[in-house]
Amino acid sequence: GAVVSQHPSWVICKSGTSVKIECRSLDFQATTMFWYRQFPKQSLMLMATSNEGSKATYEQGVEKDKFLINHASLTLSTLTVTSAHPEDSSFYICSAPFRTSGTDTQYFGPGTRLTVL
Amino acid sequence: EDKVVQSPLSLVVHEGDTVTLNCSYEVTNFRSLLWYKQEKKAPTFLFMLTSSGIEKKSGRLSSILDKKELFSILNITATQTGDSAVYLCAVGESGYSTLTFGKGTMLLVSP
Repeated sequence: GAVVSQHPSWVICKSGTSVKIECRSLDFQATTMFWYRQFPKQSLMLMATSNEGSKATYEQGVEKDKFLINHASLTLSTLTVTSAHPEDSSFYICSAPFRTSGTDTQYFGPGTRLTVL
Repeated sequence: EDKVVQSPLSLVVHEGDTVTLNCSYEVTNFRSLLWYKQEKKAPTFLFMLTSSGIEKKSGRLSSILDKKELFSILNITATQTGDSAVYLCAVGESGYSTLTFGKGTMLLVSP
């Protein structure tokens, strides 16, 4: 199956700093990637859709100025959490759609655990 | 109102038992239903279902979709402790690349 990588796998930062998370599709091109956030014991919540060559689409309630998304190439999307605060501590997961047998599925990266002190 | 509802929310069984996890959905333009297994990290893909009545099978896991009644089940036979995980159901709609996830079923298989 398709492989999606994320870097870093975990990060601890001080309140007020910015953190960049990378999401790469390793063996296929992805014009679209998705960023999810998952709090403990909760399901995945879609934050935004990253579009190569154009602006990201944010879900309701997600601050676009706080969560900056850049889809620089067909294999790379980045999420930058700006001025991070403890309430931003979460598990951030990206995914990319991959077409197989005529239908799209989604493959997830391994996730990035962010802890803001 | 939740579009994808999974039940039960949690389940504890003994090794060797068979379990059935449920996922019901309500979306306007159904395209596909996907099952994922999530352990400590990100979800791993299990099955994608698009047609009613066709069982997908992989080892001890199997799944089937009923598009008339708008639900899917995931069966795990002869459970093992390694099956302990959260099982997520997600639904995709036509015209949208995104998936809508249910809250998941937390399965614990005790030795």
